[in-house]
Amino acid sequence: KNEVEQSPQNLTAQEGEFITINCSYSVGISALHWLQQHPGGGIVSLFMLSSGKKKHGRLIATINIQEKHSSLHITASHPRDSAVYICAEETSGSRLTFGEGTQLTVNP
Amino acid sequence: DVKVTQSSRYLVKRTGEKVFLECVQDMDHENMFWYRQDPGLGLRLIYFSYDVKMKEKGDIPEGYSVSREKKERFSLILESASTNQTSMYLCASRSTEAFFGQGTRLTVV
Repeated sequence: KNEVEQSPQNLTAQEGEFITINCSYSVGISALHWLQQHPGGGIVSLFMLSSGKKKHGRLIATINIQEKHSSLHITASHPRDSAVYICAEETSGSRLTFGEGTQLTVNP
Repeated sequence: DVKVTQSSRYLVKRTGEKVFLECVQDMDHENMFWYRQDPGLGLRLIYFSYDVKMKEKGDIPEGYSVSREKKERFSLILESASTNQTSMYLCASRSTEAFFGQGTRLTVV
């Protein structure tokens, strides 16, 4: 069983909507990563956070260490945001354990 | 512009062939990783390396080996390819943030 659980697995939104993707993990971590994968395979790191909140453009990531939960929010979503979003927990030794990903489709 | 480069985007190999997947990074990172990605399973760690000539098994090392002779290059080797090794293979390197290659989609027939 994957120790990193993401929800939802699939998400369809209309352009302009506010989007939230959730990630729960089961062990103490040193950091939580959010990644984006576009069709064709390339993966880009969006955030790495160990506490609080980070913002980059229309993307916001939050983490609650006590609850072992993180969220990725996208404000004013756009069709170019369509991708798979993956969270990953970092424990010891730089290893990452990945969630299965959330497929986001934003329709115009 | 930092880069992790994988030698091939697509490969088709025959069962029993020895297959080499090459990964090169230009960021002087010590940590490099090989993953495979399959539908419904996410990314799973095959092997990783903390330094030149150092390697550690990940979660699914069976049927694979690796080589790290130079800091910038981390090679994944399929000793005798099998159809269940058909997958997307992704290389990554990192110090803090992780950087990924574009992936190699390998088909074993």
